[in-house]
Amino acid sequence: SQTIHQWPATLVQPVGSPLSLECTVEGTSNPNLYWYRQAAGRGLQLLFYSVGIGQISSEVPQNLSASRPQDRQFILSSKKLLLSDSGFYLCAWSPYTEAFFGQGTRLTVV
Amino acid sequence: GQQLNQSPQSMFIQEGEDVSMNCTSSSIFNTWLWYKQDPGEGPVLLIALYKAGELTSNGRLTAQFGITRKDSFLNISASIPSDVGIYFCAGQLTGTASKLTFGTGTRLQVTL
Repeated sequence: SQTIHQWPATLVQPVGSPLSLECTVEGTSNPNLYWYRQAAGRGLQLLFYSVGIGQISSEVPQNLSASRPQDRQFILSSKKLLLSDSGFYLCAWSPYTEAFFGQGTRLTVV
Repeated sequence: GQQLNQSPQSMFIQEGEDVSMNCTSSSIFNTWLWYKQDPGEGPVLLIALYKAGELTSNGRLTAQFGITRKDSFLNISASIPSDVGIYFCAGQLTGTASKLTFGTGTRLQVTL
């Protein structure tokens, strides 16, 4: 069966510091991969998605970037965090349509 | 971007009551999905719908894909305390393979 791992679960970072969140999927190959952000009490905003190694599509202009160095690895990064980057970040994978989510990372920028 | 209008935004119900929530859009969707999110966790897929008019059940949950392909509803029968959480609808628009559009969520709270 497929599993998705996302870490860390929580992170507190100072403004201006770099960010790296990692997500890996097991039990499948060539999945579609996604990064979402969820503000408190709000819906899910798609940040990036990838249909293959090195193929990244950005949905909204922002202070973040994503990379897919391996088939089942998806990384969310920032060179300098802003206060507005705080939120709940969710990685997801999809065989085609249905998305399956990781446990999320609660990022607080202070 | 495209939005899914989900209602109600929140609801309080008593344990044992039935619940109904829905999603509507001005665009046509190929697939409708319903998710539940517990506090501090990622959303979990409850039901997936692939054809207009399709009615699917998963235990006490029933969801339908609207005939017009622009709406879907989710019903929960005989609610229990563990039904508490946020329910999201999500849909795949025609021509947007690999991407889902999410609704704004319905927060369900159950009183004993």
